[in-house]
Amino acid sequence: SAVISQKPSRDICQRGTSLTIQCQVDSQVTMMFWYRQQPGQSLTLIATANQGSEATYESGFVIDKFPISRPNLTFSTLTVSNMSPEDSSIYLCSVEERPAATYTGELFFGEGSRLTVL
Amino acid sequence: DAKTTQPTSMDCAEGRAANLPCNHSTISGNEYVYWYRQIHSQGPQYIIHGLKNNETNEMASLIITEDRKSSTLILPHATLRDTAVYYCIVRVASPSNFGNEKLTFGTGTRLTIIP
Repeated sequence: SAVISQKPSRDICQRGTSLTIQCQVDSQVTMMFWYRQQPGQSLTLIATANQGSEATYESGFVIDKFPISRPNLTFSTLTVSNMSPEDSSIYLCSVEERPAATYTGELFFGEGSRLTVL
Repeated sequence: DAKTTQPTSMDCAEGRAANLPCNHSTISGNEYVYWYRQIHSQGPQYIIHGLKNNETNEMASLIITEDRKSSTLILPHATLRDTAVYYCIVRVASPSNFGNEKLTFGTGTRLTIIP
């Protein structure tokens, strides 16, 4: 099973600034996703991070606000740009391995990065 | 992905079996039923999944009705550590499938285990 490390685990940011969250996986994975969880809410998919190409964003999320990079099969970053208090959330990285012989479709999640925007 | 319907919250006595229902009446033939849980302040954790047969692992059992329109997650002997939000999700799952692989979370069931 994949082990995911996210940095930072939490941060307090000022309005108008940007913050980059890192997701490091201990193995090469096929799929990487970024989710947002607003206070008291369920998880919402922001985008699929594609290795070597632009991320695929879900409705309501745009690249200018949430630029994503995925330079290789073990690492991705999510930037929250020009932050406002409404961006205060937990941001979670998720990965899926796809070994053909033992595929289960299980997604692994990081512990999340808790952002508070003042 | 097909949508699911779950009760908002449930209580269960410690040591008893917790039975969490899920309706997925619009599930497609190639969609699996997945269960995840999220313990407070942690990332979601995979529990179990199935297509049409009942499944059991070290954490739980999954009972899927014959018409596949609903399922029940069973935690056989609930402990206080099972207090969490449980998510039932239906999803196409194939190692060669690209485009339908995203996991869409609903609101889930908040399960509270009572001492």
